[in-house]
Amino acid sequence: EIVLTQSPGTLSLSPGERATLSCRATQSVSNYYLAWYQQKPGLPPRLLIYAASSRAAGIPDRFSGSGSGTDFTLTISRLEPEDFAVYYCQQYGSSPLFSFGPGTIVEIK
Amino acid sequence: EVQLVESGGGAVRPGGSLRLSCGASGFKFDDHGMSWVRQGPGKGLEWISGIYLNAGSTRYADSVKGRFIISRDNAKNSLHLQMNSLTAEDTAFYYCVRGYADRYYFDYWGQGTLVTVSS
Repeated sequence: EIVLTQSPGTLSLSPGERATLSCRATQSVSNYYLAWYQQKPGLPPRLLIYAASSRAAGIPDRFSGSGSGTDFTLTISRLEPEDFAVYYCQQYGSSPLFSFGPGTIVEIK
Repeated sequence: EVQLVESGGGAVRPGGSLRLSCGASGFKFDDHGMSWVRQGPGKGLEWISGIYLNAGSTRYADSVKGRFIISRDNAKNSLHLQMNSLTAEDTAFYYCVRGYADRYYFDYWGQGTLVTVSS
């Protein structure tokens, strides 16, 4: 079973700052099988990044994904006010077929 | 515009059943695998079931295996989740999402429907 952990649990930053979010897997994950989502209160998650580094349609280029194997990173180059939210990583594997990390809260400092 | 609209949520007693539905529009439904993802109040995300294009392949998370049944009607562009033997641990928002083992991620999400299991 592949388990995802995310760090930090909470990231306190100011608008304009750079955010670096980590997602670590207990086993190697193919780059094709790693995605990132953003969720704001009261709304469903929104796909940001798929295949570890490909931006989904309509996602600004300040969002970027990188990494391989067991360590993946979501970077927001310059935080905009609308970027303060919870971010989840997700992997596709064998069992469970899909799993999500516990999330990182990006809050306004 | 892709739209996924869930219905069928509500309050149910432990041991009861509920059937969720999801109407899809804005894309060719039978070209896409579909899944259900749930989120308990204040909790994280849990994928619970997926179904392939022609309903020939279905999978379930261990937490719902044997109790939930996913199905789809490609003629009606609809996805369903029959939930049986419900427990308090099944209380959550249930999201209909586009994606399964055909693309490995979920690119469109419905607004969710709340299922509350309580005596």
